[in-house]
Amino acid sequence: DVVMTQSPLSLPVSLGQPASISCRSSQSLVYSDGNTYLNWFQQRPGQSPRRLIYKVSNRDSGVPDRFSGSGSGTDFTLKISRVEAEDVGVYYCMQGTHWPPITFGQGTRLEIK
Amino acid sequence: EVQLVESGGGLVQPGGSLRLSCSASGFTFSSYTMHWVRQAPGKGLEHVSAIRNNGGSTFYADSAKGRFSISRDDSKNTLYLQMSSLRAEDTAVYYCVRDGFDFWGQGTLVTVSS
Repeated sequence: DVVMTQSPLSLPVSLGQPASISCRSSQSLVYSDGNTYLNWFQQRPGQSPRRLIYKVSNRDSGVPDRFSGSGSGTDFTLKISRVEAEDVGVYYCMQGTHWPPITFGQGTRLEIK
Repeated sequence: EVQLVESGGGLVQPGGSLRLSCSASGFTFSSYTMHWVRQAPGKGLEHVSAIRNNGGSTFYADSAKGRFSISRDDSKNTLYLQMSSLRAEDTAVYYCVRDGFDFWGQGTLVTVSS
């Protein structure tokens, strides 16, 4: 199984400041079709996960443009340019290239400092 | 509007059984692989099971093999997860998820306890 490793696991950030979460996979996530199936999710307290980013860098509809995804191969990053109060929650990366099984990172808890 | 609505969760004793259902609407259900993902209290996300569209092939996490059975009824736009020989470690919120992981249900809580 592909292991997804996120860092940091806890991320205190002041309002208006940038935030960055790293996700590393145990093997390349480039699929035979040339796509890289790496997604990012946000889970606010008491809510279901919500997909923010798909295939590394594509923002889902309705996701603010302060969220961006980047990376390639085995190293990926989710960035928030200016953290707002509504961004509090847990963020997960997920790979869908080498499945089954789909695998998720451990989650990064973002809190306001 | 895509909607996934889970039901069937509840309190069950160790060794017991439960069947979860997920009613789908707003998209062509039969065209999509569907997944179950669970989240134990305060923990991360675990991919439990999946079933391809046309019901051809299924997947189970090691933790679910031999105890859980996934199925679908495309005529009813419904996904199922039959769970048996339940253990305390199966306690979790179970989410129904469309392939692509773009849409998730609200989840149904399964609690395994005596």
